[in-house]
Amino acid sequence: GDSVTQMEGPVTLSEEACLTINCTYTATGYPSLFWYVQYPGEGLQLLLKATKADDKGSNKGFEATYRKETTSFHLEKGSVQVSDSAVYFCALSDRGATNKLIFGTGTLLAVQP
Amino acid sequence: GAVVSQHPSRVICKSGTSVKIECRSLDFQATTMFWYRQFPKQSLMLMATSNEGSKATYEQGVEKDKFLINHASLTLSTLTVTSAHPEDSSFYICSARDKGTSGSVYEQYFGPGTRLTVT
Repeated sequence: GDSVTQMEGPVTLSEEACLTINCTYTATGYPSLFWYVQYPGEGLQLLLKATKADDKGSNKGFEATYRKETTSFHLEKGSVQVSDSAVYFCALSDRGATNKLIFGTGTLLAVQP
Repeated sequence: GAVVSQHPSRVICKSGTSVKIECRSLDFQATTMFWYRQFPKQSLMLMATSNEGSKATYEQGVEKDKFLINHASLTLSTLTVTSAHPEDSSFYICSARDKGTSGSVYEQYFGPGTRLTVT
């Protein structure tokens, strides 16, 4: 079945460092891809999404490009802030009737001042 | 943006009792809601898909008689954990699906979660 694999954390960075969180997927069709963020004690929030190959999703300085050839959707940010500390989940959604989300295991990012 | 609320945010109950968790879409109508379970330091596990006015669809391995789901209106779905046991202690998260701006791509909006502790 469809699945999402993302790099294990925790990822610890200093403020203003560059961030990359790897995400690869396996899907039989052409899924939509998402990054969700979960701040401490809160629910998940959609960070960005891409619906087709070569689409680039971006929000709050984060970017991810839908790479069909490598089945990847890596999350990147050029300069992280302490406020970016959170758990980041990569997810895919099929285009079937249910549009269920399948999540990766999550990556904890800790940004130190 | 779309807001989903959950109530209660935290609940502690004794083993053998039942607990009801509510999930509400506050500013949009949700024909479909999802219930997830999240274990510490792990990802979200989809438990069931709840459609308004019909029976929920449960994922493999989820006991439908233990986790009762009712989606009686377009803005409310409830999850009842029946005869709760300590192993049911977890973080339960709901989401509601709204039609996105990209045609067939549906976005899910997540509630803040409910921490259930069974003693």
